[in-house]
This record gives sequence, C-alpha cells and structure tokens, in this order.
Amino acid sequence: GAVVSQHPSWVICKSGTSVKIECRSLDFQATTMFWYRQFPKQSLMLMATSNEGSKATYEQGVEKDKFLINHASLTLSTLTVTSAHPEDSSFYICSAKETGNWSPLHFGNGTRLTVT
Amino acid sequence: AQTVTQSQPEMSVQEAETVTLSCTYDTSENNYYLFWYKQPPSRQMILVIRQEAYKQQNATENRFSVNFQKAAKSFSLKISDSQLGDTAMYFCAFMNLDMRFGAGTRLTVKP
Repeated sequence: GAVVSQHPSWVICKSGTSVKIECRSLDFQATTMFWYRQFPKQSLMLMATSNEGSKATYEQGVEKDKFLINHASLTLSTLTVTSAHPEDSSFYICSAKETGNWSPLHFGNGTRLTVT
Repeated sequence: AQTVTQSQPEMSVQEAETVTLSCTYDTSENNYYLFWYKQPPSRQMILVIRQEAYKQQNATENRFSVNFQKAAKSFSLKISDSQLGDTAMYFCAFMNLDMRFGAGTRLTVKP
C-alpha cells in the first residue's frame, strides 16, 4: 500500500527557533498534500493544502508567514514553523493524495512538536 | 464549507457486542467521499471504511459497516463483535477537494 513518511516523529525546540517537518510519499506521486494540526483530545484541523509547484492555500486563521509550506516535488512537502512559541506545541500530521480526483488520502505518522 | 458533526464524544461497549457511532455532515456538493478513521494512542490514522456518495449500497469491511443516508446527510459506523483492539478515537471525515474531520468519538471496548 501507499506509504507516507513524516519526519521527525517528535522534536523539541526552543522558543524563537524554526522547525522543519518533512512529508514524503514513498511509492506514489502526490500532487496534493495536506497539513493538519491536532491538539490533545481534539480533532484534526486542516491548516493548509499544498499543491506541487504552486503556493499553498491556507485555512482561515492560519498564519502563512508562520507556517511556511513548500511542495517543490511530487513526493515531498515541508512545513516550517518559524519563530516557534510554546502555543505552537502540537501534533502535526501530513497527508498525501494520489493523482486522480477521488483517490484516497494517505497519512504520515505525525510529528509531536514541543516548544520550550 | 463542509462541516462534519459527531455528537457522541465518548462511547463504550462490551466485548463481542455491537456499537454504532453517529456522524452527520453538511454540504451542497453532490459528489464526495465519506470515511471513518481510527486513531489509537499511537495517533496513527488508520482507514476503517469509506463510502462513495454516488453509491447507494452501504460499504462493508469485515466487522465494520456503514449506514449511509445521503438525503439525511448521515453516515454512521457499526462495529460488530467488538474487540478490545477496537478501543480508539474514531473520526468521521468528508472529502471533496480536501478532507475535513468531525470532533471524534472515543470508543472503549470493555472486557
């Protein structure tokens, strides 16, 4: 089956620093990738939709200058949390969509970010 | 925008019994997919079952089945012969151009 690799699985950083999270589709091409954020005991909230070769589309309330998304190839999307603050601590999950309108999403295993 | 509502924050069921998790959604689209995902404590998202909106027949995957009522915009999940390993968070999801999730239902299977 299709595999999405997300790295790192957990990261601790100091307030004010930046953190990059990678999402790779290992055995398929993903024209579209999605980034979600999940706070403890809550649901997955869509942050942004990333299309290969174009700018990401951010959901209302998500700061695009803070959460930089790059989708430079059909197998890699990155999310960079810039100038991280403790309130950015959360679980971030990426998902990748295979080519085709009604293809399923495949999820990475998530990244737990802790900002101290 | 599409919204997904799961009105049961927590549910419990005895092992080997049947439980139904509720989900409703709101959309003006005619073509879409609906999903149920399971999220165990590892937080990995595991696809349980999916339903194409254009199909009237309810999807079934072994012990898991859905009751899809398109006119009512309802998509419930039935788990038969519940097992201890079914204990997890269950999220209902709607997909058109992107995927949106309900708030989740925490299911506990009791021995």
